[in-house]
Amino acid sequence: GDSVTQMEGPVTLSEEAFLTINCTYTATGYPSLFWYVQYPGEGLQLLLKATKADDKGSNKGFEATYRKETTSFHLEKGSVQVSDSAVYFCAHGGATNKLIFGTGTLLAVQP
Amino acid sequence: SAVISQKPSRDICQRGTSLTIQCQVDSQVTMMFWYRQQPGQSLTLIATANQGSEATYESGFVIDKFPISRPNLTFSTLTVSNMSPEDSSIYLCSARGLAQGTDTQYFGPGTRLTVL
Repeated sequence: GDSVTQMEGPVTLSEEAFLTINCTYTATGYPSLFWYVQYPGEGLQLLLKATKADDKGSNKGFEATYRKETTSFHLEKGSVQVSDSAVYFCAHGGATNKLIFGTGTLLAVQP
Repeated sequence: SAVISQKPSRDICQRGTSLTIQCQVDSQVTMMFWYRQQPGQSLTLIATANQGSEATYESGFVIDKFPISRPNLTFSTLTVSNMSPEDSSIYLCSARGLAQGTDTQYFGPGTRLTVL
């Protein structure tokens, strides 16, 4: 069935380090792919999305590219900040109207 | 993007009681959803709130426990009935917009429920 697998956390980085959070998916067809972020004590915010193969979503310095060949949508940022500390969720959806979420990855950035 | 608000933002309730959570969207949306996020976990879809008809529940969730209303295109409620400590979770409302046929879901800030 449809699923999303993302790397387990917590991921602990120093400020200005490079970030990669891996995400792979299984799906029927080619759904849209999303990254959501949940800051402490808050709801989910859409971080970025991609709707078709080879699309790159980007926002706030974060990027992710829709890779059909590897069924992946890895999240990257070149230089993280303390304020990026949050839980990051990869998800896919589209025609089914239902978002399928990964388990979430906690990112902790230390000054 | 749609702006979504939820009330209450948090509550502490006694076992056996019920709580109704309200979700308001600032624009008309095609679909509204209710999710549960148990402590330290990912999101689980409870149901799709259908305007003018009964909600569509996911496996493991039933209407008697989680009755849902959606009287119009901008508002929905979720009731958590006969609560037990296992219902302690964050409950999130989300909406899928009309604009440009988008398939993106936007989320409310969540309602943090603690059941004693």
